[in-house]
Amino acid sequence: VQLVQSGAEMMKPGASLKVSCKASGYNFAMYGVTWVRQAPGQGLEWMGWVSAYNGDANYAPSFQGRLTLTTDTSTNTAYMELRSLKPDDTAIYYCARDWNQYKENWFDPWGQGTLVTVSS
Amino acid sequence: DIQLTQSPSSLSASVGDRVTITCQASQDISNFLNWYQHKPGRAPKLLIYDASLLQTGVPSRFSGGGSGTNFSFTIGSLQTDDFATYYCQQYDTLATFGPGTTVDI
Repeated sequence: VQLVQSGAEMMKPGASLKVSCKASGYNFAMYGVTWVRQAPGQGLEWMGWVSAYNGDANYAPSFQGRLTLTTDTSTNTAYMELRSLKPDDTAIYYCARDWNQYKENWFDPWGQGTLVTVSS
Repeated sequence: DIQLTQSPSSLSASVGDRVTITCQASQDISNFLNWYQHKPGRAPKLLIYDASLLQTGVPSRFSGGGSGTNFSFTIGSLQTDDFATYYCQQYDTLATFGPGTTVDI
C-alpha cells in the first residue's frame, strides 16, 4: 500500500494550488482520503476528507470555500485544490488513506508529503 | 468545533522509561480517538486507533486507553526509535489533531 504525492511547489499569493496523491496496492474506491498539513514549526492540521467511494467531502471550517477535494477512481488518484493562497499556507501537505468510505476515521498510511511555499 | 488538549507539551526521558501522555477532548467523543507518531522529515504514522487498538505492526510497548473526554497514551519502555512528536486525533465530529507532545532525550 502506497500513496505518492506530486512534487514541491512554489506559488504566488492569490494563486491556486493543486496537489495529487496517487494510491496503489489497495482497492482505492473502497476507502477515503484525508488531507493534513503542517506549517513550519507547527503541529498537524486536518484540512478535509473525501470519499473515493461516492465523492462525498467534508472540510475543516477554516478551509470552507477555499478547498476542494476530489478523487479519480480511473487513475486511483486524489486531488487537493486550495485557492487564494496566502503566505500562511506555506506548509508540507500530506494525503493519507482514510479507513472509512463514509466519514473521517483514522489515517494510514500517509503520502510522503508535498512542500508548498507561498511567497511573492 | 471539538478541541483537543495534550499534556505535557514536551517531555525529556531516557531509554527504558515509561512515558504517558494525556489527551483531553472539549466534549464527549466516545472512543473516537487515534494516536500518531511523527518524526521530522517523515510522514506521520498511525499507532493506536479507536482509543486502545494497536495498529498492525506497531510494537506492543505502545498502548492507549480512555473514553469520553479523557484519554491516555503510554510507551511502556522507551526506545531510541521512539523519540518523536505524538499527536492525538478525534473523529467524532469531522477531525481534529491535538497540539502534539514532543518526546526527547
